[in-house]
Amino acid sequence: EVQLEESGGGLIQPGGSLRLSCAASGFTITSYWMHWVRQAPGKGLVWVSHIDRDGSTIRFADSVKGRFTISRDNAKNTLYLQMTSLRGEDTAVYYCGRGLVTTGYGMDVWGQGTTVTVSS
Amino acid sequence: DIQMTQSPSSLSASVGDRVTITCQASQDITNYLNWYQQKPGKAPKLLIYDASNLETGVPSRFSGSGSGTDFTFTISSLQPEDIATYYCQQYDNPPFTFGPGTRVDIK
Repeated sequence: EVQLEESGGGLIQPGGSLRLSCAASGFTITSYWMHWVRQAPGKGLVWVSHIDRDGSTIRFADSVKGRFTISRDNAKNTLYLQMTSLRGEDTAVYYCGRGLVTTGYGMDVWGQGTTVTVSS
Repeated sequence: DIQMTQSPSSLSASVGDRVTITCQASQDITNYLNWYQQKPGKAPKLLIYDASNLETGVPSRFSGSGSGTDFTFTISSLQPEDIATYYCQQYDNPPFTFGPGTRVDIK
């Protein structure tokens, strides 16, 4: 079964760091574009970052550029989002998603989400 | 950044009604548009990609159309299980912005 499972969320103080993981099963992440999307409490969806199949194209939303990095461990078939200098506005449910094999951009498989709360 | 707007922000309709949501981009995005459904407490689900292509396994009562800056999402016959928030998303240029969402309820 094709699945994504996020982990690593939690309560973190402003200025702190956190690494989110997204473990894939049923497919190989290097065959797909992979994305991170977040959703603040009661708010809409916000695209955060993506990485392409060979890792040569990586993009970030301006709101996280310079603070977040995206990476993969191909052997573990796991995607990561390293978050530093966290702010209150980073509080959200973070989802990882698999891009369509055709376009790369429509996310056809999503994890259940992991919650990040930035608060003192 | 490309701004996406959706209207209405919410709607109530009866079971069996035809429901239409519009999405407008602040600039030409060709057909680089997705539509998602999100139920409360759940991850989004891809319904439509490339503005009008139905994702595998999605019921045919869902459809999308449009190109350029103006797009439409339609549920031809609203079902109780369609209660959700619907989002459009452009992928013509990063950041790949979502619309603010349209909440659909049963009247």
